[in-house]
Amino acid sequence: GQQLNQSPQSMFIQEGEDVSMNCTSSSIFNTWLWYKQDPGEGPVLLIALYKAGELTSNGRLTAQFGITRKDSFLNISASIPSDVGIYFCAGQTWGDTGKLIFGQGTTLQVKP
Amino acid sequence: DGGITQSPKYLFRKEGQNVTLSCEQNLNHDAMYWYRQDPGQGLRLIYYSQIVNDFQKGDIAEGYSVSREKKESFPLTVTSAQKNPTAFYLCASIKQGPLSGNTIYFGEGSWLTVV
Repeated sequence: GQQLNQSPQSMFIQEGEDVSMNCTSSSIFNTWLWYKQDPGEGPVLLIALYKAGELTSNGRLTAQFGITRKDSFLNISASIPSDVGIYFCAGQTWGDTGKLIFGQGTTLQVKP
Repeated sequence: DGGITQSPKYLFRKEGQNVTLSCEQNLNHDAMYWYRQDPGQGLRLIYYSQIVNDFQKGDIAEGYSVSREKKESFPLTVTSAQKNPTAFYLCASIKQGPLSGNTIYFGEGSWLTVV
């Protein structure tokens, strides 16, 4: 089946540093979504991308939909302690509406 | 306020028991989904329903059952046939259509533990 490879698996950074994580797939996706999950809570949507090449920002977060439609990255600038959590990428293809394929997640820890 | 409500938040099940997790949404979303999340893992799709009275198996449907009698409700039953049910369960819904972006939103999750 389709799989997403998300990396890195975990990151431990200093407050104020920038963060970058990415997802790659062997399959083409028509939608890329990035979620953040706090412990014991459901994932919360951060950024949604719908077109190849699209670059979208949400505050300190920036995400891009790769031109090949097989990859996406998420950048967090000037990290703060509340950025701590697990970040998931998810891809979706036409005809499989809602059948998101999730990456394994990137655990982010921020040292004050 | 509109949203997706899952209950209970925490549930303990004895071996051999069936348990049902509730998921209700008042967002008028068409499609609803159940995902399972194991520690340190991504989400895996159990079942989904795109319209009332219809649902399809996801990637790990064995040992689970669902119903969709109302648009607002999509309960998940974890049966005794599910050999390793301890996990975090997430319900989600989506408003389908070209203007909606087909973005999926999640409930807060339910922890199920087998004792």
